[in-house]
Amino acid sequence: SQTIHQWPATLVQPVGSPLSLECTVEGTSNPNLYWYRQAAGRGLQLLFYSVGIGQISSEVPQNLSASRPQDRQFILSSKKLLLSDSGFYLCAWSEQGGDTQYFGPGTRLTVL
Amino acid sequence: QKEVEQNSGPLSVPEGAIASLNCTYSDRGSQSFFWYRQYSGKSPELIMSIYSNGDKEDGRFTAQLNKASQYVSLLIRDSQPSDSATYLCAVNRESFNKFYFGSGTKLNVKP
Repeated sequence: SQTIHQWPATLVQPVGSPLSLECTVEGTSNPNLYWYRQAAGRGLQLLFYSVGIGQISSEVPQNLSASRPQDRQFILSSKKLLLSDSGFYLCAWSEQGGDTQYFGPGTRLTVL
Repeated sequence: QKEVEQNSGPLSVPEGAIASLNCTYSDRGSQSFFWYRQYSGKSPELIMSIYSNGDKEDGRFTAQLNKASQYVSLLIRDSQPSDSATYLCAVNRESFNKFYFGSGTKLNVKP
């Protein structure tokens, strides 16, 4: 069966510091991968999605970036965090050609 | 216009009642429709998917789809306090790989 991992689970960072969040999927090959952000009490905002290694599509202009160095690894980064980057970051995957998304446990980021 | 719209709630129902959650979407090319449940502080978990007009039942949950009206609903029968959560409606458009989520409806089931 497939499993999706995210780490860290929680993170508190000062404004202006860098960020690296990691997501890995087990039990499948060549999945579609997604990064979402959910601000407190709000819906899901799609940040990036990837259909393969090195293929990243950005949905919202911001100070975040994403990379997919390996088939089942998706990384979300920032060089300098802003207060507005605080939120719940969710990684999700779907099968190639599939139409259902499954979410990881999420990372709660607080920028102070 | 938002891709997917939901009433934010909260929707309060007594234990044992039927909870009815609604969702509308804007793109007629949408192919697949999903309901996720999200407990406070947790990630969304898939409850049901529906692809064709009509009803689809799974235990206490029934999803209803009306493509002509661009409307999706979720009925929860015999609501339990453990059903208290935010319910997210999601749509996968014809240009696949992208999923659009509503902002969610918060459901409170009172004992």
